[in-house]
Amino acid sequence: EVQLVESGGGLVQPGGSLTLSCAASGFTFSSHWMNWVRQVPGKGLVWVSRINADGTTTDYADSVKGRFTISRDNAKNTVYLQMNSLRAEDTALYYCARPKSPTHYFDLWGRGTLVTVSS
Amino acid sequence: DIVLTQSPDSLTVSLGERATINCKSSQSVLYTSNNKNYLAWYQQKPGQPPKVLISWASTRESGVPDRFSGSGSGTDFTLTISSLQAEDVAVYYCQQHYSTPITFGQGTRLEIK
Repeated sequence: EVQLVESGGGLVQPGGSLTLSCAASGFTFSSHWMNWVRQVPGKGLVWVSRINADGTTTDYADSVKGRFTISRDNAKNTVYLQMNSLRAEDTALYYCARPKSPTHYFDLWGRGTLVTVSS
Repeated sequence: DIVLTQSPDSLTVSLGERATINCKSSQSVLYTSNNKNYLAWYQQKPGQPPKVLISWASTRESGVPDRFSGSGSGTDFTLTISSLQAEDVAVYYCQQHYSTPITFGQGTRLEIK
């Protein structure tokens, strides 16, 4: 089955760190860019970061640049989002999303993992 | 950054009637070298991730009912549902992938009258 499964969310204090994982299956992971998109419950979608197929190119939203790092392990079919210096405004449901190659609109989404930043 | 502004923010339509959602971009998302508009539409139902409906502004994705259609070019786009069904209750988003950062509209909530 073609799917993305996120994990690693949870409750973390402001200033803390968390690493999210997204495990892919059912498709050739190493051929695709991968993205993270977040959504505050009840609010809109916000793109966070993306990484190219071989992991050599990354992009970030200004709001997370310098604090978040995206990476991937193609041998494990997994993309990661390391989040440091977390703030209350980072609280959201984080989705992993695959763009439809060779474009950058998203044809496959995971169900998300919830990150709550609170003391 | 490209800002996408959707209108209206919410919409109430009777079953079987037409629903129209607009998306205006702060700059053109038409790539002139290939004449493609780098704009997609998504549907998000409660408790679910988004699902892509329309790509390239007007290309319906596989499996999407033909009551959904997209139109427009450059900076002004429209998603139309020709005959609203109960299962179409959702929030709809436009998204541009013309440039980084990728951006989404703020969403339009569609409800049944």
